[in-house]
Amino acid sequence: DAKTTQPPSMDCAEGRAANLPCNHSTISGNEYVYWYRQIHSQGPQYIIHGLKNNETNEMASLIITEDRKSSTLILPHATLRDTAVYYCIVRGPNNAGNMLTFGGGTRLMVKP
Amino acid sequence: DTAVSQTPKYLVTQMGNDKSIKCEQNLGHDTMYWYKQDSKKFLKIMFSYNNKELIINETVPNRFSPKSPDKAHLNLHINSLELGDSAVYFCASSFGGVNTEAFFGQGTRLTVV
Repeated sequence: DAKTTQPPSMDCAEGRAANLPCNHSTISGNEYVYWYRQIHSQGPQYIIHGLKNNETNEMASLIITEDRKSSTLILPHATLRDTAVYYCIVRGPNNAGNMLTFGGGTRLMVKP
Repeated sequence: DTAVSQTPKYLVTQMGNDKSIKCEQNLGHDTMYWYKQDSKKFLKIMFSYNNKELIINETVPNRFSPKSPDKAHLNLHINSLELGDSAVYFCASSFGGVNTEAFFGQGTRLTVV
């Protein structure tokens, strides 16, 4: 079962930052926060992951609160191609087989 | 060069048939997975497999079986197909452990008629 809560949908204007929230209040100290996205009809695409510290890569930034109970994925300059379902996933050594367990995700619609 | 490739991309078959979906990864990963995405778009893990251990999601019917001829391949065999098996099936791979990203294939859309 997914251990995260995300809003089902969000809109963002093209060129603006998209901030996608995720709650994971029951996260354990050894569990990572992962973000994936799925663009229509394609396989899920890895975006970023982190444990405690904030992370940034060429796609996005991940901000994790100090208590680790929530996080925010930031797409700094959203484009139409960023329209997708975004999944926040908690993953740790207690997941059998190190599996990624997907929840419902947030459907992000980037509008012109 | 596709990192995780699945074949076929589309598969239409009749109820009761047996079919296989192939998955290959060229990333040198030691762990592979199969996921099912149903019409409601929920992605559910079916199997996790490395050369030591097969983890099966308890909700997966035993008509489904993964077969791994080598580390780079994990094929999905489905016996006695049912209408409810219609879905998109995704293969993925990663290195073992939890601090490593998994890469997904582009999916196989299975339609049982």
